[in-house]
Amino acid sequence: NAGVTQTPKFQVLKTGQSMTLQCAQDMNHNSMYWYRQDPGMGLRLIYYSASEGTTDKGEVPNGYNVSRLNKREFSLRLESAAPSQTSVYFCASTRASLRETQYFGPGTRLLVL
Amino acid sequence: SQKIEQNSEALNIQEGKTATLTCNYTNYSPAYLQWYRQDPGRGPVFLLLIRENEKEKRKERLKVTFDTTLKQSLFHITASQPADSATYLCALDGGGYQKVTFGIGTKLQVIP
Repeated sequence: NAGVTQTPKFQVLKTGQSMTLQCAQDMNHNSMYWYRQDPGMGLRLIYYSASEGTTDKGEVPNGYNVSRLNKREFSLRLESAAPSQTSVYFCASTRASLRETQYFGPGTRLLVL
Repeated sequence: SQKIEQNSEALNIQEGKTATLTCNYTNYSPAYLQWYRQDPGRGPVFLLLIRENEKEKRKERLKVTFDTTLKQSLFHITASQPADSATYLCALDGGGYQKVTFGIGTKLQVIP
């Protein structure tokens, strides 16, 4: 039982490049989330998927897209990376909503030059 | 918009003492509040959840209080150990089932 896994662990991009961050959970959770964490700021929700087949914007969705591939997998795509997207990205899952325990992945550290 | 303040960027305490971390909030009355632990280079790990109708919750050496009048939660670690050194985050119900607001965290250092 791996919980929430994320790939890659670390990535360096040049401005304008694209990439997809992958997330998978093996807890049969319905809801999945993508956050970013920046120094001096709390975790901020980018996008979420309340259930398979649905996605919604969170607090800071600009510059990102997501795909809920199936119940297990939720990916985050940067189409044209910008230095402002340099951050640590965390994926999380819950059984149904954010009013419950969130299980976080180990994070992806992204540096955009 | 909702705002969360956690008591300080860093808190140093002696091993064996009780650590008390504060989470204050404004502009909203959350239905629940959560506390997480985060170690360097790792994702947050859930510790405790307390609902608006609960005054106090305990789990082993951890205790959380929730004062909706003061708009404050206190997080206590009794008999603190060096292994408790980490950053502790509070998170509030953001006004919906899929909304949450996180504080920036308090870094706790337990000195042997």
